[in-house]
Amino acid sequence: DVKVTQSSRYLVKRTGEKVFLECVQDMDHENMFWYRQDPGLGLRLIYFSYDVKMKEKGDIPEGYSVSREKKERFSLILESASTNQTSMYLCASRPTGREDTQYFGPGTRLTVL
Amino acid sequence: QKEVEQNSGPLSVPEGAIASLNCTYSDRGSQSFFWYRQYSGKSPELIMFIYSNGDKEDGRFTAQLNKASQYVSLLIRDSQPSDSATYLCAVKAGAGSYQLTFGKGTKLSVIP
Repeated sequence: DVKVTQSSRYLVKRTGEKVFLECVQDMDHENMFWYRQDPGLGLRLIYFSYDVKMKEKGDIPEGYSVSREKKERFSLILESASTNQTSMYLCASRPTGREDTQYFGPGTRLTVL
Repeated sequence: QKEVEQNSGPLSVPEGAIASLNCTYSDRGSQSFFWYRQYSGKSPELIMFIYSNGDKEDGRFTAQLNKASQYVSLLIRDSQPSDSATYLCAVKAGAGSYQLTFGKGTKLSVIP
């Protein structure tokens, strides 16, 4: 079974803090994704990576950066957290060419005070 | 801007009835279509995908695709209370595209 894990289920941070959200997958998938999900706005892609050290902007990359130093790990970084980044963050992974096997992690609910 | 539209609902159906969920998309070049189910407080899970015009059946679920009308739907036969969830439609553009564009989801309630 594919397993996508995220470092925290719930996280509370202060405005201006640097925040790291970690995602790890155990199925050797090439592609990894970070989404945020907000009521009324749905699931929106922040960044994705199709290989180690490769990254591409999604629809809403502003205020975020990512890092992929190892194939199994994809990190989302909020350089200076703001209250409008309070959201549910979901990581996903899938193998190349297999969009029918995209798996999501359990999510991290981030609150920025 | 590629868009995927869904009726937000809630859609309420009695137990045993057919639930019909609809989705339209703006990018005529889209080639792959997905339905995800998301229970409250949980992450989305893929339940159906379809690539070709027509119907695709899997158990109680049928996905229907009409590329000319840019329309994809999900039918759930013999709806059960356990089907109560938010259903997300997702669309991928053509070859070389990595990104799935999601609709905002339709909340389905199956009434016992």
